[in-house]
Amino acid sequence: GESVGLHLPTLSVQEGDNSIINCAYSNSASDYFIWYKQESGKGPQFIIDIRSNMDKRQGQRVTVLLNKTVKHLSLQIAATQPGDSAVYFCAEITYNTDKLIFGTGTRLQVFP
Amino acid sequence: NAGVTQTPKFQVLKTGQSMTLQCAQDMNHEYMSWYRQDPGMGLRLIHYSVGAGITDQGEVPNGYNVSRSTTEDFPLRLLSAAPSQTSVYFCASSHRVGRSGVTEAFFGQGTRLTVV
Repeated sequence: GESVGLHLPTLSVQEGDNSIINCAYSNSASDYFIWYKQESGKGPQFIIDIRSNMDKRQGQRVTVLLNKTVKHLSLQIAATQPGDSAVYFCAEITYNTDKLIFGTGTRLQVFP
Repeated sequence: NAGVTQTPKFQVLKTGQSMTLQCAQDMNHEYMSWYRQDPGMGLRLIHYSVGAGITDQGEVPNGYNVSRSTTEDFPLRLLSAAPSQTSVYFCASSHRVGRSGVTEAFFGQGTRLTVV
């Protein structure tokens, strides 16, 4: 069945370093992917998205990479800051459906 | 512009009680959805709607009903609450996702439900 999962449940990085959060998906028909950030006690917040016809997309301090060959998605955060500490989710939408399906999440901890 | 508003923020129910979680958005979004999030877990899709009068089941629909009589509102009903429904519930809205183009989904702040 369709599933979206993450390799690392917890990622600890030092402030100023770059962070890489990974996500594997199993549905090759998925055509749109989104990364969300969720801080404690809050709802998820949109970070960046990417369509399946792209390999890379950049935002402010964030980059999403999509490798459709191995069905892998990653979120890179440059110069990680304490405010980046949160749980990060990847989510996918499959073409011709309207279901936004979330993965299980990775907790990013930033230490000084 | 309030975005997505969920009420109540907290609720305690006894097993077998019914209640409705309210969700309203003021962004004229066609698409609305409900998720539940269990501790240490991701969000699981309960029900969703692509427009007024249209609803469909997500990943975990059992025990929940929804309706979409207006564009703005998408209430989630628990007909007979069970302890397994203890969770944090999030409502989200966006312009149409999937076939006709996609935009980011905006989430409410969540409703923390405990069933005892």
